[in-house]
Amino acid sequence: DTEVTQTPKHLVMGMTNKKSLKCEQHMGHRAMYWYKQKAKKPPELMFVYSYEKLSINESVPSRFSPECPNSSLLNLHLHALQPEDSALYLCASSHYRSTNEKLFFGSGTQLSVL
Amino acid sequence: DAKTTQPNSMESNEEEPVHLPCNHSTISGTDYIHWYRQLPSQGPEYVIHGLTSNVNNRMASLAIAEDRKSSTLILHRATLRDAAVYYCIQRGSNYKLTFGKGTLLTVNP
Repeated sequence: DTEVTQTPKHLVMGMTNKKSLKCEQHMGHRAMYWYKQKAKKPPELMFVYSYEKLSINESVPSRFSPECPNSSLLNLHLHALQPEDSALYLCASSHYRSTNEKLFFGSGTQLSVL
Repeated sequence: DAKTTQPNSMESNEEEPVHLPCNHSTISGTDYIHWYRQLPSQGPEYVIHGLTSNVNNRMASLAIAEDRKSSTLILHRATLRDAAVYYCIQRGSNYKLTFGKGTLLTVNP
């Protein structure tokens, strides 16, 4: 199994809603990543987890709250988002947090904030 | 973050080789060069990566200049399925995989 599975594929939420994005991998990878991608722009790194601990936070607003409950699962909790947060949210994983490791990406969750 | 420079777009014909260039003049000795591509409506997909030597895999070849300040991704026979945005990424000691603007490759039938 070489897949990174993201759910849901699409999400529409209001600015007062609380929702969560889920990412799962069963490749035994110990590093997991969240990226945000606006239309026609490159992906932007948000968070990196290594061995279930947050190792990089790219100054992301607190309305985005990541969680890594175990080595296979990564969540992104969303609260009080703004319309400009509408984007494709991508999850990725790699064996380790190393410069020599390749990342496996999921297909993303397309988020619309109304 | 380390920056790479790529052409905004390139065009190729089906069945012909494609050479996608990338400049990474600030590269340090331990930085790897990674290439990913992103097809429409999909997440990025790993293509190849290398440090100093040229690398080959089933998808592509990576030719790294001797001074490591540039590299070229080679698709040996382009197909319509290779139409995508190709990202060249200099991955350094901060472990971040930071995407630049990439090259939009169009493949003509």
